[in-house]
Amino acid sequence: EVQLLESGGGLVQPGGSLRLSCAASGFTFSTYAMTWVRQAPGKGLEWVSNIHNDGGTAYADSVKGRFTVSRDNSKSTLYLQMNSLRIEDTALYYCAKTMGGLDIHFDHWGQGTVVTVSS
Amino acid sequence: ETVLTQSPATLSLSPGERATLSCRASQNIEIYLAWYQQKPGQAPRLLIYDTSNRATGIPARFSGSGSGTDFTLTISSLEPEDFAVYYCQQRRNWPPITFGQGTRLEIK
Repeated sequence: EVQLLESGGGLVQPGGSLRLSCAASGFTFSTYAMTWVRQAPGKGLEWVSNIHNDGGTAYADSVKGRFTVSRDNSKSTLYLQMNSLRIEDTALYYCAKTMGGLDIHFDHWGQGTVVTVSS
Repeated sequence: ETVLTQSPATLSLSPGERATLSCRASQNIEIYLAWYQQKPGQAPRLLIYDTSNRATGIPARFSGSGSGTDFTLTISSLEPEDFAVYYCQQRRNWPPITFGQGTRLEIK
């Protein structure tokens, strides 16, 4: 059974940093691209970042230069380093598994971790 | 950026009725569209990928159609558990990967 477990969220002041983790199990982590999607309170889904199994990355313009996605295939873990946090980064952050290959649709999601940016 | 526009914003129907949800793309995305269902307090769940393929475990009452810029999710006969928010998502033109703003399907 595929499982994705996010952690690392919390309350941080504007300008601060957080590192999110997503521990994966139940599939061969190293062979799938992974993604981060966020959802602000009461709002819709917003794609944040992708990392392919070869390490290639992509970011939404809203986080480019501030967020860094990475992965440790030996630990089956996905990360999101978030720097220079803004109030508008407040959201529930989901990690999700892609369907494989070039198919960037998301067939499994974690339950999310909450990030609150506030002074 | 490919903008996805979902309509209607809210759809009020009764159990047993047919639901038709629309997603329009601002540019051609061929067939590379997915639909997700999200219930309160839960993560999204993949229903349909590449326009018309049901994901694993998704009931046959859910179907998808379309191509290019106009897409439809149809629920043939609504069950009580189908009342939720539905999002479309495209993977043809990225980055960025984009989602629609959602359609809330509520009980009439």
